[in-house]
Amino acid sequence: DVKVTQSSRYLVKRTGEKVFLECVQDMDHENMFWYRQDPGLGLRLIYFSYDVKMKEKGDIPEGYSVSREKKERFSLILESASTNQTSMYLCASSSRQGQGIPGRSGYTFGSGTRLTVV
Amino acid sequence: DAKTTQPNSMESNEEEPVHLPCNHSTISGTDYIHWYRQLPSQGPEYVIHGLTSNVNNRMASLAIAEDRKSSTLILHRATLRDAAVYYCILRVVNTGNQFYFGTGTSLTVIP
Repeated sequence: DVKVTQSSRYLVKRTGEKVFLECVQDMDHENMFWYRQDPGLGLRLIYFSYDVKMKEKGDIPEGYSVSREKKERFSLILESASTNQTSMYLCASSSRQGQGIPGRSGYTFGSGTRLTVV
Repeated sequence: DAKTTQPNSMESNEEEPVHLPCNHSTISGTDYIHWYRQLPSQGPEYVIHGLTSNVNNRMASLAIAEDRKSSTLILHRATLRDAAVYYCILRVVNTGNQFYFGTGTSLTVIP
Protein backbone atom coordinates (compact mmCIF):
# COMPACT_ATOMS: atom_id res chain seq x y z
CA ASP A 1 0.00 0.00 0.00
CA VAL A 2 1.38 3.38 -0.97
CA LYS A 3 2.06 5.67 1.90
CA VAL A 4 2.73 9.16 3.06
CA THR A 5 3.98 9.06 6.62
CA GLN A 6 4.09 12.00 8.96
CA SER A 7 6.41 11.52 11.89
CA SER A 8 4.04 12.63 14.66
CA ARG A 9 0.25 12.56 15.11
CA TYR A 10 0.27 14.99 18.03
CA LEU A 11 2.87 17.54 19.04
CA VAL A 12 2.96 20.18 21.78
CA LYS A 13 5.61 22.89 21.59
CA ARG A 14 6.35 26.11 23.40
CA THR A 15 6.21 29.56 21.87
CA GLY A 16 9.55 30.47 20.31
CA GLU A 17 10.72 26.90 19.79
CA LYS A 18 11.99 25.73 16.42
CA VAL A 19 9.72 22.94 15.23
CA PHE A 20 10.36 20.31 12.57
CA LEU A 21 7.51 18.38 10.95
CA GLU A 22 8.69 15.45 8.86
CA CYS A 23 6.98 13.78 5.93
CA VAL A 24 8.17 10.72 4.00
CA GLN A 25 6.58 9.11 0.92
CA ASP A 26 7.40 5.75 -0.62
CA MET A 27 5.89 6.28 -4.08
CA ASP A 28 8.85 7.95 -5.79
CA HIS A 29 6.68 11.04 -6.29
CA GLU A 30 8.24 14.22 -7.60
CA ASN A 31 5.80 16.62 -5.94
CA MET A 32 5.30 17.14 -2.24
CA PHE A 33 3.09 19.60 -0.40
CA TRP A 34 2.48 20.99 3.06
CA TYR A 35 -0.98 22.24 4.03
CA ARG A 36 -2.47 23.50 7.22
CA GLN A 37 -6.09 22.89 8.05
CA ASP A 38 -8.15 25.12 10.31
CA PRO A 39 -11.88 25.09 11.09
CA GLY A 40 -13.84 27.10 8.56
CA LEU A 41 -10.79 27.73 6.38
CA GLY A 42 -10.31 24.34 4.75
CA LEU A 43 -6.85 23.35 3.53
CA ARG A 44 -4.37 26.12 2.80
CA LEU A 45 -1.13 25.50 0.97
CA ILE A 46 2.01 26.54 2.84
CA TYR A 47 4.85 25.33 0.60
CA PHE A 48 5.37 22.79 -2.12
CA SER A 49 8.27 21.19 -3.93
CA TYR A 50 8.51 19.82 -7.45
CA ASP A 51 11.91 18.26 -7.07
CA VAL A 52 14.79 17.72 -4.71
CA LYS A 53 16.16 21.02 -3.38
CA MET A 54 13.35 22.93 -5.07
CA LYS A 55 10.66 24.77 -3.16
CA GLU A 56 7.85 27.14 -3.97
CA LYS A 57 5.75 29.32 -1.68
CA GLY A 58 2.10 28.51 -1.39
CA ASP A 59 -0.64 30.79 -0.14
CA ILE A 60 0.51 31.21 3.46
CA PRO A 61 4.30 30.74 3.71
CA GLU A 62 4.96 33.37 6.38
CA GLY A 63 6.56 31.92 9.49
CA TYR A 64 7.47 28.66 7.76
CA SER A 65 10.31 27.22 5.76
CA VAL A 66 10.87 23.84 4.13
CA SER A 67 13.65 21.48 3.24
CA ARG A 68 13.82 18.79 0.58
CA GLU A 69 17.24 17.18 0.56
CA LYS A 70 15.97 13.80 -0.65
CA LYS A 71 13.14 12.96 -3.02
CA GLU A 72 11.17 11.00 -0.46
CA ARG A 73 11.38 13.47 2.41
CA PHE A 74 9.85 16.93 2.79
CA SER A 75 10.27 18.80 6.06
CA LEU A 76 8.27 21.76 7.30
CA ILE A 77 10.09 24.07 9.72
CA LEU A 78 8.54 26.58 12.07
CA GLU A 79 11.47 28.87 12.77
CA SER A 80 9.95 30.33 15.95
CA ALA A 81 6.64 28.75 16.82
CA SER A 82 3.76 31.01 17.72
CA THR A 83 0.32 30.28 19.10
CA ASN A 84 -1.34 31.20 15.80
CA GLN A 85 0.48 28.26 14.23
CA THR A 86 -1.56 25.85 16.31
CA SER A 87 -3.23 23.78 13.62
CA MET A 88 -3.52 20.45 11.83
CA TYR A 89 -0.68 20.04 9.32
CA LEU A 90 -1.12 17.74 6.35
CA CYS A 91 1.56 16.51 3.97
CA ALA A 92 0.73 15.21 0.49
CA SER A 93 2.59 13.91 -2.53
CA SER A 94 1.80 13.40 -6.21
CA SER A 95 3.51 12.41 -9.40
CA ARG A 96 4.34 14.94 -12.07
CA GLN A 97 2.21 13.50 -14.84
CA GLY A 98 -1.52 14.21 -14.99
CA GLN A 99 -3.57 11.05 -14.69
CA GLY A 100 -5.47 11.77 -11.51
CA ILE A 101 -5.14 8.35 -9.91
CA PRO A 102 -3.85 8.18 -6.36
CA GLY A 103 -0.25 7.11 -6.51
CA ARG A 104 0.06 8.75 -9.94
CA SER A 105 -0.96 12.40 -10.21
CA GLY A 106 -3.71 12.33 -7.63
CA TYR A 107 -2.64 13.43 -4.20
CA THR A 108 -1.91 10.98 -1.44
CA PHE A 109 -2.14 12.50 2.01
CA GLY A 110 -0.59 11.62 5.30
CA SER A 111 -2.72 11.29 8.41
CA GLY A 112 -1.77 14.72 9.69
CA THR A 113 0.10 16.21 12.63
CA ARG A 114 -1.94 18.15 15.16
CA LEU A 115 0.41 20.80 16.50
CA THR A 116 -0.38 22.80 19.61
CA VAL A 117 1.83 25.77 20.48
CA VAL A 118 1.51 26.91 24.06
CA ASP B 1 -9.98 33.68 -4.62
CA ALA B 2 -11.62 30.31 -4.13
CA LYS B 3 -11.71 28.24 -7.28
CA THR B 4 -14.49 26.00 -5.96
CA THR B 5 -17.49 26.76 -3.78
CA GLN B 6 -19.51 24.21 -1.86
CA PRO B 7 -22.24 24.31 0.80
CA ASN B 8 -20.81 24.19 4.29
CA SER B 9 -22.92 21.26 5.39
CA MET B 10 -25.53 18.77 4.24
CA GLU B 11 -27.55 16.00 5.83
CA SER B 12 -28.78 12.74 4.41
CA ASN B 13 -30.73 9.78 5.69
CA GLU B 14 -28.98 6.46 5.73
CA GLU B 15 -29.41 4.36 2.57
CA GLU B 16 -30.67 7.32 0.55
CA PRO B 17 -28.77 8.95 -2.33
CA VAL B 18 -26.76 12.10 -1.66
CA HIS B 19 -25.97 14.80 -4.19
CA LEU B 20 -23.10 17.07 -3.19
CA PRO B 21 -22.86 20.15 -5.42
CA CYS B 22 -19.81 22.18 -6.37
CA ASN B 23 -19.42 25.36 -8.41
CA HIS B 24 -16.20 26.06 -10.29
CA SER B 25 -17.13 28.85 -12.65
CA THR B 26 -13.51 29.84 -13.44
CA ILE B 27 -12.46 26.37 -14.57
CA SER B 28 -10.29 26.24 -17.67
CA GLY B 29 -10.36 23.63 -20.38
CA THR B 30 -7.48 21.57 -19.00
CA ASP B 31 -8.43 21.63 -15.31
CA TYR B 32 -9.52 18.35 -13.76
CA ILE B 33 -12.24 18.10 -11.13
CA HIS B 34 -11.33 15.95 -8.16
CA TRP B 35 -13.28 14.95 -5.09
CA TYR B 36 -11.63 13.88 -1.90
CA ARG B 37 -13.16 13.14 1.46
CA GLN B 38 -11.76 13.41 4.94
CA LEU B 39 -12.92 11.13 7.69
CA PRO B 40 -12.40 12.27 11.30
CA SER B 41 -8.77 12.21 12.41
CA GLN B 42 -7.51 11.20 8.96
CA GLY B 43 -5.99 12.89 5.94
CA PRO B 44 -8.14 13.42 2.84
CA GLU B 45 -8.60 10.38 0.60
CA TYR B 46 -9.37 10.14 -3.09
CA VAL B 47 -12.99 9.60 -4.14
CA ILE B 48 -13.26 10.30 -7.86
CA HIS B 49 -12.10 12.64 -10.59
CA GLY B 50 -13.08 13.68 -14.10
CA LEU B 51 -12.45 16.10 -16.91
CA THR B 52 -15.52 16.37 -19.13
CA SER B 53 -17.54 13.17 -19.06
CA ASN B 54 -19.50 11.74 -16.17
CA VAL B 55 -17.55 9.15 -14.19
CA ASN B 56 -18.50 6.18 -12.07
CA ASN B 57 -16.49 4.08 -9.67
CA ARG B 58 -17.24 1.78 -6.78
CA MET B 59 -17.42 4.67 -4.32
CA ALA B 60 -19.43 7.29 -6.17
CA SER B 61 -20.45 8.95 -9.42
CA LEU B 62 -19.38 12.34 -10.70
CA ALA B 63 -21.75 14.33 -12.87
CA ILE B 64 -20.12 17.23 -14.71
CA ALA B 65 -22.21 19.98 -16.25
CA GLU B 66 -21.91 20.47 -19.98
CA ASP B 67 -20.25 23.88 -19.52
CA ARG B 68 -18.05 22.38 -16.75
CA LYS B 69 -18.82 25.25 -14.42
CA SER B 70 -20.36 22.93 -11.87
CA SER B 71 -20.30 19.29 -10.84
CA THR B 72 -22.10 16.97 -8.46
CA LEU B 73 -20.74 14.09 -6.45
CA ILE B 74 -23.34 11.39 -6.06
CA LEU B 75 -23.25 8.79 -3.31
CA HIS B 76 -25.84 6.26 -4.35
CA ARG B 77 -26.70 4.92 -0.89
CA ALA B 78 -25.32 6.83 2.03
CA THR B 79 -24.00 4.82 4.95
CA LEU B 80 -22.90 6.01 8.37
CA ARG B 81 -19.30 5.47 7.24
CA ASP B 82 -19.81 8.12 4.55
CA ALA B 83 -20.05 10.86 7.17
CA ALA B 84 -17.07 13.06 6.32
CA VAL B 85 -16.01 16.39 4.88
CA TYR B 86 -16.11 16.23 1.08
CA TYR B 87 -13.76 18.47 -0.86
CA CYS B 88 -14.30 19.53 -4.44
CA ILE B 89 -10.92 20.41 -5.92
CA LEU B 90 -9.59 21.75 -9.18
CA ARG B 91 -6.34 20.24 -10.37
CA VAL B 92 -4.72 22.90 -12.52
CA VAL B 93 -2.49 21.21 -15.04
CA ASN B 94 -0.64 24.34 -16.13
CA THR B 95 0.56 24.99 -12.58
CA GLY B 96 2.09 21.55 -12.33
CA ASN B 97 -1.02 19.69 -11.26
CA GLN B 98 -1.49 21.82 -8.17
CA PHE B 99 -4.70 21.22 -6.25
CA TYR B 100 -6.97 24.10 -5.29
CA PHE B 101 -9.21 23.17 -2.38
CA GLY B 102 -12.55 24.65 -1.41
CA THR B 103 -13.66 24.68 2.21
CA GLY B 104 -15.56 21.43 1.84
CA THR B 105 -19.04 20.14 2.68
CA SER B 106 -19.53 18.38 5.99
CA LEU B 107 -21.91 15.49 5.36
CA THR B 108 -23.97 14.15 8.25
CA VAL B 109 -25.70 10.79 7.73
CA ILE B 110 -28.74 10.24 9.89
CA PRO B 111 -29.53 6.66 10.90
